[in-house]
Amino acid sequence: DTAVSQTPKYLVTQMGNDKSIKCEQNLGHDTMYWYKQDSKKFLKIMFSYNNKELIINETVPNRFSPKSPDKAHLNLHINSLELGDSAVYFCASSPPQGLLGEKLFFGSGTQLSVL
Amino acid sequence: LAKTTQPISMDSYEGQEVNITCSHNNIATNDYITWYQQFPSQGPRFIIQGYKTKVTNEVASLFIPADRKSSTLSLPRVSLSDTAVYYCLVGGSARQLTFGSGTQLTVLP
Repeated sequence: DTAVSQTPKYLVTQMGNDKSIKCEQNLGHDTMYWYKQDSKKFLKIMFSYNNKELIINETVPNRFSPKSPDKAHLNLHINSLELGDSAVYFCASSPPQGLLGEKLFFGSGTQLSVL
Repeated sequence: LAKTTQPISMDSYEGQEVNITCSHNNIATNDYITWYQQFPSQGPRFIIQGYKTKVTNEVASLFIPADRKSSTLSLPRVSLSDTAVYYCLVGGSARQLTFGSGTQLTVLP
């Protein structure tokens, strides 16, 4: 069973379009994230939700809007797509930090190509 | 944010032990050190995490000196399937978990 699943795997679209990426986790985690990985493989956090509430918003253009209908889902909607949005987008989740540092569980990524 | 520095790439042969060192000179007192592995077209996968001294699990060992300004991921007897990018992260929360470019490990037959 896939722990963190995101769809679609590949997304090719024209500039100016609006698109969504869906993410679901069956691990029972309260916290979910969206990361963006650029062509140089840097992976940077975009958003984090804890139990449906936004807790991290890392200076991402407001064309990007995350939505969490419940704590098992965190979708990413992107308006007016630009060429620079082309990247791989990863969804992740994590259990409560507890006594240890955070441990992230990632989905397999969505390759977004804006033409 | 604690910045990390690790080699861009490393080559090894099957069966060898591989050590990847990460420098994090400005690590904070409450920061943990975490390593992730990423295969092409997949998301990063947690390998190991530690705070100080040595941590070992079924996959790897993590060595952290007393000053905690560096850490070394040790992979025993690597195989071709260990070819991947390895990321060193330092931080206490996801906000601080910015992945660098990682170390591309290539295991040769």
